[in-house]
Amino acid sequence: AQSVTQLGSHVSVSEGALVLLRCNYSSSVPPYLFWYVQYPNQGLQLLLKYTSAATLVKGINGFEAEFKKSETSFHLTKPSAHMSDAAEYFCAVSDYNNNDMRFGAGTRLTVKP
Amino acid sequence: DTGVSQDPRHKITKRGQNVTFRCDPISEHNRLYWYRQTLGQGPEFLTYFQNEAQLEKSRLLSDRFSAERPKGSFSTLEIQRTEQGDSAMYLCASSPTGPSGYTFGSGTRLTVV
Repeated sequence: AQSVTQLGSHVSVSEGALVLLRCNYSSSVPPYLFWYVQYPNQGLQLLLKYTSAATLVKGINGFEAEFKKSETSFHLTKPSAHMSDAAEYFCAVSDYNNNDMRFGAGTRLTVKP
Repeated sequence: DTGVSQDPRHKITKRGQNVTFRCDPISEHNRLYWYRQTLGQGPEFLTYFQNEAQLEKSRLLSDRFSAERPKGSFSTLEIQRTEQGDSAMYLCASSPTGPSGYTFGSGTRLTVV
């Protein structure tokens, strides 16, 4: 079975500061990893995905994530936070067949002016 | 391509009533997924279709829940004899085959009173 754990249900940063959202995965098969963002009363929007190519993945809105097999991690970063980044972020894992994607509990990012 | 559409956006129903939600996926996507999301949690897998075949159902999907995808196009999710515990956001997503990630709709928020 596959699963992800997001460390920290709430993260607060100042505008312009580094954003770091943590995700660790568990998988018995090669994992495919994703980060999604959700704004209030909206569905989830794909930020970026790791599909076994480059370990450093760049996504939309200046976000990137690095796959580290030795640490079973896929942390999301952004060098400089913007007010518009305030949202809920979800890490997810699936297998190659894209079946039954499993999501973490989410991390709410707050950006202070 | 207008993305994944869900209807209605909001539904308030009395306990014991039946409700039906509709999802229109991206037309090129052969896979369609239903998830449930409660407040402060990540999406939980309910079921998925490949074309018109329902290939997997979660144990969360009790016998009061039924999903269909006639002709492999749109899908409906019906909940019979609703309970207060069914109050949640119901998310639909679609994808092509392979590890490409999902495209989500905006969801249907169900409130059972």
